[in-house]
Amino acid sequence: EAQVTQNPRYLITVTGKKLTVTCSQNMNHEYMSWYRQDPGLGLRQIYYSMNVEVTDKGDVPEGYKVSRKEKRNFPLILESPSPNQTSLYFCASSPRVDTEAFFGQGTRLTVV
Amino acid sequence: DAKTTQPPSMDCAEGRAANLPCNHSTISGNEYVYWYRQIHSQGPQYIIHGLKNNETNEMASLIITEDRKSSTLILPHATLRDTAVYYCIVRPYPGSSNTGKLIFGQGTTLQVKP
Repeated sequence: EAQVTQNPRYLITVTGKKLTVTCSQNMNHEYMSWYRQDPGLGLRQIYYSMNVEVTDKGDVPEGYKVSRKEKRNFPLILESPSPNQTSLYFCASSPRVDTEAFFGQGTRLTVV
Repeated sequence: DAKTTQPPSMDCAEGRAANLPCNHSTISGNEYVYWYRQIHSQGPQYIIHGLKNNETNEMASLIITEDRKSSTLILPHATLRDTAVYYCIVRPYPGSSNTGKLIFGQGTTLQVKP
């Protein structure tokens, strides 16, 4: 089944403890991106990747890192999480940058 | 900022057609209209997109006015499972220089009632 898989789905962590949210797609898509969703602010893009080894900042990249070493994986790294990064996170992939996006099921992160 | 305006909420009776409007009066000639929906807090789901002609797929129909300043998403026979937030998004045409970013506004919360 074609899908975008995020892990974990839920995570509660403490301030400053490094964490990684994984994202994997099995559709050989070139384009991948991360969004966060907050009440009243909608979905905002954090980082995106046009292809392997090509990544760039979205609208809210502060406090996040990404990597794209293989086409299928696009992990989101929080080196030192803070409470303002408590949010619902979505990974998305598209065949190309200008085609419809497929979203993962989301990761609900709480930083205390 | 989102380039679209949608009503915050709508109700629809189960089995009836749901017509969701979207205003995009500043749309450029090379921009497409995309529709996504989000059920509860699941990942957004692509529904349909179009440039200037009406489009139909297995999920919905998209009607774009001749001046392209507004559009309507039609769910022909709404079910309870169609209850969701529906987002209308304007994005550049394929091949143009863009980041692929989707700009989600507040969307329309559609409540399908029995």
